[in-house]
Amino acid sequence: GAGVSQSPRYKVTKRGQDVALRCDPISGHVSLYWYRQALGQGPEFLTYFNYEAQQDKSGLPNDRFSAERPEGSISTLTIQRTEQRDSAMYRCASSLVWQGGVEKLFFGSGTQLSVL
Amino acid sequence: ILNVEQSPQSLHVQEGDSTNFTCSFPSSNFYALHWYRWETAKSPEALFVMTLNGDEKKKGRISATLNTKEGYSYLYIKGSQPEDSATYLCALLYGQNFVFGPGTRLSVLP
Repeated sequence: GAGVSQSPRYKVTKRGQDVALRCDPISGHVSLYWYRQALGQGPEFLTYFNYEAQQDKSGLPNDRFSAERPEGSISTLTIQRTEQRDSAMYRCASSLVWQGGVEKLFFGSGTQLSVL
Repeated sequence: ILNVEQSPQSLHVQEGDSTNFTCSFPSSNFYALHWYRWETAKSPEALFVMTLNGDEKKKGRISATLNTKEGYSYLYIKGSQPEDSATYLCALLYGQNFVFGPGTRLSVLP
């Protein structure tokens, strides 16, 4: 697609429910990142994929959070047993290829998650 | 945990004023630094990618410099316009991911 697409745009859920957030990167982009952004703060790294391989998941807060990118394109971030503290904007970003950090990131519009 | 700091946290300037703000980071093991512009309700958009000490990048009225030895980058906006109002984020490469600073929120008053 023309840009990074995320869905849903907004998600309201009850505490304890599982949610799945989807990211469709720019076609051909190899690298895919998930970030979480609290109101008024910069993005906080969650996890990173190169193709389908999850290279770094050190930013995932706990084992309720997981991510996959099975075919090296679309990625899903899953949060199990959601808690109110999980409420945030979840942003996906992609870049063409890993080149030592010189490739700029293209961000999606994000999914605003609210856990009641 | 890598700490990327930005100052000031927020800034209000009059249209036509020039302004600058700072991104500070640990000077050891530097690889790359990015600047992003983020307008409310939109996605962050890349401004500059900087890799070498002494790098200077320019895009219209916006420019940036990099000092990796002392661990800072400056972003300059010349002749600020209301459309420059946004949050400016810097991001430091750490491993294979990027650590973002908290941003500087710029408001340009007409």
